[in-house]
Amino acid sequence: NAGVTQTPKFQVLKTGQSMTLQCAQDMNHNSMYWYRQDPGMGLRLIYYSASEGTTDKGEVPNGYNVSRLNKREFSLRLESAAPSQTSVYFCASSEAQGQGLHFGNGTRLTVT
Amino acid sequence: QKEVEQNSGPLSVPEGAIASLNCTYSDRGSQSFFWYRQYSGKSPELIMFIYSNGDKEDGRFTAQLNKASQYVSLLIRDSQPSDSATYLCAVSFISSGSARQLTFGSGTQLTVLP
Repeated sequence: NAGVTQTPKFQVLKTGQSMTLQCAQDMNHNSMYWYRQDPGMGLRLIYYSASEGTTDKGEVPNGYNVSRLNKREFSLRLESAAPSQTSVYFCASSEAQGQGLHFGNGTRLTVT
Repeated sequence: QKEVEQNSGPLSVPEGAIASLNCTYSDRGSQSFFWYRQYSGKSPELIMFIYSNGDKEDGRFTAQLNKASQYVSLLIRDSQPSDSATYLCAVSFISSGSARQLTFGSGTQLTVLP
């Protein structure tokens, strides 16, 4: 039972490049989330998907897009990376909204 | 803006002592409260959740909730060096319509000294 799996683990981009972060969960959870974590700022919600077929903006959505591909998979796309998007990105899932989250291992992204 | 405040620390306690971690939140409508532990370079791990006023105990961990004071705390008894980590408080609130999301505090760094 893998839980929440994120790929890649590390990524370096140049300003203006694009990339997609992948996330999959095998716990049959309905809700999935993307957070970013920056030093001193805690975890901030980028986008979430309450259930398959729906997505909504979180606290810091600018510069990102998401796709809930199916119940298992939720991807995060950076269309034109900026240095301000240098961060650690966590995907998480929960059985329903507002419940405890299960996190993936994170993606460490550096934009130069 | 829903806010969750934690003392960033660092908090240092000797091995065997009680570590007390505190969290306040701004939204009186919040209903669910969570504590996560995050080791350096790792992802957050859920260790406790509490929904009702009072205390909830799980092994060496006790979560305490006071909704009137908008205050939640985590006590770690018989602290061990392996408890050294950052502890994140998270609070569930209604973001839009009926959607409930978690807002995280910035975390308290705990060091347990051998």
